[in-house]
Amino acid sequence: DAGVIQSPRHEVTEMGQEVTLRCKPISGHNSLFWYRQTMMRGLELLIYFNNNVPIDDSGMPEDRFSAKMPNASFSTLKIQPSEPRDSAVYFCASRAGTGPSSYGYTFGSGTRLTVV
Amino acid sequence: AQRVTQPEKLLSVFKGAPVELKCNYSYSGSPELFWYVQYSRQRLQLLLRHISRESIKGFTADLNKGETSFHLKKPFAQEEDSAMYYCALSKYSRWRGSTLGRLYFGRGTQLTVWP
Repeated sequence: DAGVIQSPRHEVTEMGQEVTLRCKPISGHNSLFWYRQTMMRGLELLIYFNNNVPIDDSGMPEDRFSAKMPNASFSTLKIQPSEPRDSAVYFCASRAGTGPSSYGYTFGSGTRLTVV
Repeated sequence: AQRVTQPEKLLSVFKGAPVELKCNYSYSGSPELFWYVQYSRQRLQLLLRHISRESIKGFTADLNKGETSFHLKKPFAQEEDSAMYYCALSKYSRWRGSTLGRLYFGRGTQLTVWP
């Protein structure tokens, strides 16, 4: 298994541009999570999906952020328009099962976003 | 509300010295706690899970419900242990008949082990 796959690994974009981050969860995992990592705030949960349905998007910072999961094998996180303060590492994670008996998350390698 | 606190942002020890990374939590339910490790510019990896009561890479962590703590310990630190360590708590909620869990992370502790 290739694990959770994120693309691109690095993204540098100009302020105001649209940015799309992609994630392919592990096959069979039915929960998917988007996290943002910064020095100031650590790891923040942005949104998570269960069986492709968004469960909690209260962590999405602004309307500029949106996430979709059109099928069980693909999710996107879009920022439009991007701002310099969006610069961070964005991680995607997936998990099999949902309850206390299930194991921990598997994280992707992250996308390092720099908005100039 | 649930909260995970890692009071030390940075921790440095010499090789061979004992190390303890502190984690305190607040949660009204029965907690499920984890330690994740992130080596330089790599993905987060699960290190320990309190339910399994295991020792991974010489690290152990005991859940102390009285003190609401889940400190990570290793008796003899190694240089390769240098990394960012995150403590996390899983909270469960009911949604449409299913039990769903999500992880809350602490801010992390950067451990540096000097030769």
